[in-house]
Amino acid sequence: SQQGEEDPQALSIQEGENATMNCSYKTSINNLQWYRQNSGRGLVHLILIRSNEREKHSGRLRVTLDTSKKSSSLLITASRAADTASYFCATGDMEYGNKLVFGAGTILRVKS
Amino acid sequence: DAGVTQSPTHLIKTRGQHVTLRCSPISGHKSVSWYQQVLGQGPQFIFQYYEKEERGRGNFPDRFSARQFPNYSSELNVNALLLGDSALYLCASSSVGQGVDGYTFGSGTRLTVV
Repeated sequence: SQQGEEDPQALSIQEGENATMNCSYKTSINNLQWYRQNSGRGLVHLILIRSNEREKHSGRLRVTLDTSKKSSSLLITASRAADTASYFCATGDMEYGNKLVFGAGTILRVKS
Repeated sequence: DAGVTQSPTHLIKTRGQHVTLRCSPISGHKSVSWYQQVLGQGPQFIFQYYEKEERGRGNFPDRFSARQFPNYSSELNVNALLLGDSALYLCASSSVGQGVDGYTFGSGTRLTVV
């Protein structure tokens, strides 16, 4: 079973616009990570936010975490066509600290 | 420095057969995890090995097994293949057991069972 639920399932925007993806989860976590996947190949780690952090930035990425609501958001600013991919949130499970629990992902399409 | 390498890239097997997938982690990484990703879904955790010991097992049948070698490379074995085993199998490595700095994934092995 999957813990995370990404919203929306699919997002289509114009190049230069911002893209926001949301993730909700169910159990207590150590950390929450966002990954990108191009064309069904390997996952690329984007950013990790720990349970005691509320916001984190990396380049054009901004991640927020609200542990009281068990939710996170990923903002990609000034999107580019190369950002077209599937984006997954994954939680580091506190009970089973060795594994990541992924959501079903958001498919982002950036039109040039 | 090489990333996580997986072999083979693609594989077609017949129902009932056995398959072995291989993974070499990033040099210096002692933890290897395996994930199954069915089309249209997020990856599902299968196994994690750290320092050659199994540290976690997902909700998969006993037909799935894995091991980690002294050089930290790993094999995933699946016996008695079913059509539903068709998926992208991903290997991930991290420097510590809990991946607290994030995991590095390989490009995956696309398994098709016919």
